[in-house]
Amino acid sequence: QVQLQESGPGLVKPSQTLSLTCAVSGVSTGRGDYFWTWIRQSPGMGLEWIGRVHSSGITNYNPSLKSRLTISVDETENQFALSLTSVTAADTAVYYCARGEYFFDSWGQGTLVTVTS
Amino acid sequence: DIQMTQSPSTLSASVGDRVTITCRASQSISNWLAWYQQKPGKAPNLLIYKTSSLEGGVPSRFSGSGSGTEFTLTISSLQPDDFASYYCQQYDTRPYTFGQGTKLEIK
Repeated sequence: QVQLQESGPGLVKPSQTLSLTCAVSGVSTGRGDYFWTWIRQSPGMGLEWIGRVHSSGITNYNPSLKSRLTISVDETENQFALSLTSVTAADTAVYYCARGEYFFDSWGQGTLVTVTS
Repeated sequence: DIQMTQSPSTLSASVGDRVTITCRASQSISNWLAWYQQKPGKAPNLLIYKTSSLEGGVPSRFSGSGSGTEFTLTISSLQPDDFASYYCQQYDTRPYTFGQGTKLEIK
């Protein structure tokens, strides 16, 4: 049974970089038939698809975030990561990692990231 | 981006009721639609994909239908565990987008 667990700072200062990691267990992130995805949820924006990465390293990003976003996968550590630069208060949200290319059948519990000085 | 609009935003119902939630897309998404259930403080849980395919382990009282721009999620006989928020999500075109949610409350 696949399990995902987000980790990272709960507080980030404006203009700094938000970095999160998703540890995966029960399946290898190197398995070629899976995409690994980041989604966030805020009261203002609802659920928002951030982007995804394939084990090959291929990525697809939400155009609204693309200029600030990097998603990567680490098969050795069996995890994938999100990096979002130049954050503002609008990036405050619960961030979820999930498995899926188009829809998402396994999710982490979510981690709240607050952007505040 | 494709806009997904759910109605109603809030729905009050009783155990045993049959309820239907509607999701409309701003353009045709064929049948590339998923539904999720979310309980407070928890991650969304996949119920249905490709409009009407039930995810493993999901009770058969949940069903989905539709095509093009209009879709429905039906719960045939509400159980106490079903009171939660429900979200639709299109995966026809990136960026994939979600509806704003429907909160199902106990009447």
